[in-house]
Amino acid sequence: DVKVTQSSRYLVKRTGEKVFLECVQDMDHENMFWYRQDPGLGLRLIYFSYDVKMKEKGDIPEGYSVSREKKERFSLILESASTNQTSMYLCASTRTSGGSYNEQFFGPGTRLTVL
Amino acid sequence: AQKVTQAQTEISVVEKEDVTLDCVYETRDTTYYLFWYKQPPSGELVFLIRRNSFDEQNEISGRYSWNFQKSTSSFNFTITASQVVDSAVYFCALSEGSSNTGKLIFGQGTTLQVKP
Repeated sequence: DVKVTQSSRYLVKRTGEKVFLECVQDMDHENMFWYRQDPGLGLRLIYFSYDVKMKEKGDIPEGYSVSREKKERFSLILESASTNQTSMYLCASTRTSGGSYNEQFFGPGTRLTVL
Repeated sequence: AQKVTQAQTEISVVEKEDVTLDCVYETRDTTYYLFWYKQPPSGELVFLIRRNSFDEQNEISGRYSWNFQKSTSSFNFTITASQVVDSAVYFCALSEGSSNTGKLIFGQGTTLQVKP
């Protein structure tokens, strides 16, 4: 059974803290994605990675960074959390072969609250 | 520019009613794929269906059916005889053929509530 796991389901942090969200997939997928989900806005792409140590900005990268040191793990970093980063964060992965044909596999999400 | 629009923010129906979720897309690519995902209360998006731009055949899977019309750039999703377990947020998404990274452009999502 294929799996994308995220380190926490719920997280509460204070303004200014550094926050790490971890995502691990066991499908040997090359591509991994971080989205944030807000009501009425759908899923918006923050960053994605198509290989180890490779990354590209998505639509809303400001205030975030990412790290991919191993193929199976993709981390999202909030350098200095702010209240407007309170959101649901979803990680996903997909293969490269087949390109745009492939569906993405999602983790259960992390609901982050920044106080 | 690529875009996916789900104009219905929330829909509420009574069990056993049929319901259609609308999806309209924009793209300049001639090759693209359209997807529907379901997000139940547990949070994890679940893949439902994929359609490529060259295949306009409608598809039926049990109580679910999809109507793809290139002429109107729409990919609508119908649930027949809805059930309480269908309550979820549904997302329509577009993947362009020019992208080899599998990037998806999502619509805003439609929250479906099925009441007993």
